[in-house]
Amino acid sequence: NAGVMQNPRHLVRRRGQEARLRCSPMKGHSHVYWYRQLPEEGLKFMVYLQKENIIDESGMPKERFSAEFPKEGPSILRIQQVVRGDSAAYFCASSPGRRAESTEAFFGQGTRLTVV
Amino acid sequence: AQSVTQLGSHVSVSEGALVLLRCNYSSSVPPYLFWYVQYPNQGLQLLLKYTTGATLVKGINGFEAEFKKSETSFHLTKPSAHMSDAAEYFCAVSDRDSSYKLIFGSGTRLLVRP
Repeated sequence: NAGVMQNPRHLVRRRGQEARLRCSPMKGHSHVYWYRQLPEEGLKFMVYLQKENIIDESGMPKERFSAEFPKEGPSILRIQQVVRGDSAAYFCASSPGRRAESTEAFFGQGTRLTVV
Repeated sequence: AQSVTQLGSHVSVSEGALVLLRCNYSSSVPPYLFWYVQYPNQGLQLLLKYTTGATLVKGINGFEAEFKKSETSFHLTKPSAHMSDAAEYFCAVSDRDSSYKLIFGSGTRLLVRP
């Protein structure tokens, strides 16, 4: 039973390029969450998606960042025109339903984005 | 807004010694409380969580944490450290109204000396 799969594990982009980060949730999970971890900091919530719907994007930067979770395929976090400040580890988590006190979210291993 | 404070970005203990990692939250309404562990280049793994009921919560790998409402704390302890416990530990909370959204502390790196 595979866990949450993120790819690539490491991604290097030049300033101005686009970064696409993929997340395949655990089997049977229809809820996906993206978090960003800046160096020496804790994880910060970015967005919560269900299949084809964005439920809460209150943590997403207003520009250049977007996320989707299509009916088929993985969830994608897209960063356009990357800047050095986007360098971070991006983690995806999934849960079988809307997280409540009894539902655990499982985290992937993260994608480490480096902008040069 | 809810916030989480982890006192001490680095904690060093000897193998076999008590581990104590501190966590305080800011909300006046008790949230849900979690401890996660992150090994190098790995994702986060849930150690334990408090939602309701007994305030002393036991988790995996011999860790436990106690919810103290009067102190707004949820400190993590382990009686005897093992070398394999060396990792980064994150305390997190979520509000009962939006329980899907975890708010993390900045983390404590635990070093275990032989």
